[in-house]
Amino acid sequence: GIQVEQSPPDLILQEGANSTLRCNFSDSVNNLQWFHQNPWGQLINLFYIPSGTKQNGRLSATTVATERYSLLYISSSQTTDSGVYFCAVGVDSNYQLIWGAGTKLIIKP
Amino acid sequence: DAGVTQSPTHLIKTRGQHVTLRCSPISGHKSVSWYQQVLGQGPQFIFQYYEKEERGRGNFPDRFSARQFPNYSSELNVNALLLGDSALYLCASSLTATNEKLFFGSGTQLSVL
Repeated sequence: GIQVEQSPPDLILQEGANSTLRCNFSDSVNNLQWFHQNPWGQLINLFYIPSGTKQNGRLSATTVATERYSLLYISSSQTTDSGVYFCAVGVDSNYQLIWGAGTKLIIKP
Repeated sequence: DAGVTQSPTHLIKTRGQHVTLRCSPISGHKSVSWYQQVLGQGPQFIFQYYEKEERGRGNFPDRFSARQFPNYSSELNVNALLLGDSALYLCASSLTATNEKLFFGSGTQLSVL
């Protein structure tokens, strides 16, 4: 089955810093989503981005489907950005999403 | 508008018991998916229902079952609970069967003693 790898596994930054999170996947996908899980466990959908580039405020994401990777950019980090960021992908007619292990981000004040 | 709601938020059971978890999707969403998340890992797919039909099933034993009701709410049932079933159970809804943009509830934390 498809493999999803996220890097780095952990990231500690000062408030105001920028960061880039990466998601590599081993096969063609027709669904790719980025999520943020806050320290209380709530999963928030950030982007649905099987290809191309999207921006939402301080966050942006780019998926290069032909090279099988996606990047999540966080600019001017705030302490509320702390948590775990997950990449999840879907393949063809398979309705399930396959999730990476996540990147744990800690933003220090 | 209300988001995805799950109940209960926390549950403690003993081995061998059964449990029923409930989920109400966002109004207008006809697809409900269930995921299991063990601490430190990404969610694992259990089931997807769309228009009251099972559309997908993950690699979980037959002790796990689910259904979707005419109002699109859903139940996840787990029989003969094992210690390893302790996890956060997440429900997600989406407009389409192909799950563009999943929206998650806050989960049910199940502890099996």
